[in-house]
Amino acid sequence: DVKVTQSSRYLVKRTGEKVFLECVQDMDHENMFWYRQDPGLGLRLIYFSYDVKMKEKGDIPEGYSVSREKKERFSLILESASTNQTSMYLCASSLSWTINQPQHFGDGTRLSIL
Amino acid sequence: AQSVTQLGSHVSVSEGALVLLRCNYSSSVPPYLFWYVQYPNQGLQLLLKYTTGATLVKGINGFEAEFKKSETSFHLTKPSAHMSDAAEYFCAVSDRSGGYQKVTFGIGTKLQVIP
Repeated sequence: DVKVTQSSRYLVKRTGEKVFLECVQDMDHENMFWYRQDPGLGLRLIYFSYDVKMKEKGDIPEGYSVSREKKERFSLILESASTNQTSMYLCASSLSWTINQPQHFGDGTRLSIL
Repeated sequence: AQSVTQLGSHVSVSEGALVLLRCNYSSSVPPYLFWYVQYPNQGLQLLLKYTTGATLVKGINGFEAEFKKSETSFHLTKPSAHMSDAAEYFCAVSDRSGGYQKVTFGIGTKLQVIP
């Protein structure tokens, strides 16, 4: 089974801090994704990556950046955390860009910005 | 642009009753469709997927879904609800956008199972 591991389950940070969320997958998947999940809004795509050092903006990239230095690792960065970034963050990976490939998710990081 | 509509953000059923979670989609091309389940404090797990071929798709934990092109629907069913089915369920459509896979999720339906 594919395993997607997010480094923290719960995280509390302060406004203005730089925050790093880490994600690692163990199945040599090409694609990796970061979503945020908010009640009533479902999952919204922040950024995705289809290769090492490659990244593309999703639907809500403002206030975020990403890094993919190795194939198995995809990091989400909040450059200057704000309270409206309090949310559940989900990392996912998929094998390839064939559109019938499902995504495999980590358990999520619940981030609170105070 | 593709979209997914899940009717009913909350659904309650009695244990042993039929589960029916509704999903309608819009897509400019034949879609690939997925149902995911999210248990409390966990990520999403794949329940089942429709790609091509048989329109009735069987998934894990006794769930199945039927793809109806004429109705643009992909409703999720289970004949008899179990307490362990209490979770949030997401319908998703996968399409190609700008050369990449674009997955759009519905807002989710929380299923409550009443003993």
